Amino acid sequence: QVQLVESGGGVVQPGKSLRLSCAASGFTFSGYPMHWVRQAPGKGLEWVAVISYDGNNKYYADSVKGRFTISRDNSKNTLYLQMNSLRAEDTALYYCAREDSSDPGPVDVWGQGTTVTVSS
Amino acid sequence: DIQMTQSPSTLSASVGDRVTITCRASQSISSWLAWYQQKPGKAPKLLIYKASSLESGVPSRFSGSGSGTEFTLTISSLQPDDFATFYCQQYNSFPWTFGQGTKVEIK
Repeated sequence: QVQLVESGGGVVQPGKSLRLSCAASGFTFSGYPMHWVRQAPGKGLEWVAVISYDGNNKYYADSVKGRFTISRDNSKNTLYLQMNSLRAEDTALYYCAREDSSDPGPVDVWGQGTTVTVSS
Repeated sequence: DIQMTQSPSTLSASVGDRVTITCRASQSISSWLAWYQQKPGKAPKLLIYKASSLESGVPSRFSGSGSGTEFTLTISSLQPDDFATFYCQQYNSFPWTFGQGTKVEIK
């Protein structure tokens, strides 16, 4: 079945780095744009970044631009989020998400999320 | 950036009630709007896309309408499984933006 499994979350000090991974299965990963969406504790959903199916196009939320980098390895069916210069306000549950194949399309598949806590 | 504003923020309703949630965009997004349902501790679930198209497997009591800047999500007869938080989201342009959410509570 179609599945997204995030990993790499944890507790990290402000200013440090962390890399999240998302392993995709059950579908042709290389055919879909992929997103990261986050949710701070008790708060709503915030879109973070998107990468095109081939990795050539990327867009970021202003709140993470210049600090986070989205990438993908289609040979490994894996999406990544490199997070540098982390701040307390980056504390959240980070979801990996697949964009529907229509253009444009909404998110039709979500992972279960991985938790990032930025604290000294 | 396009701002999405949902109302109400919280809604108290009973099983069987007809429920309507409104979402307004700060500029036209055509019909590029999705609705998601999120239950505590779970990932969001897509209900409606392109403003009014029902995602496969979603009960027909859910419906969406609107275009441009005004959108609604309607639950025709609220069921016990529907108590959750609902989010609208525009995918007309990046950055994608979500509404702040509407929590549907048991009255």
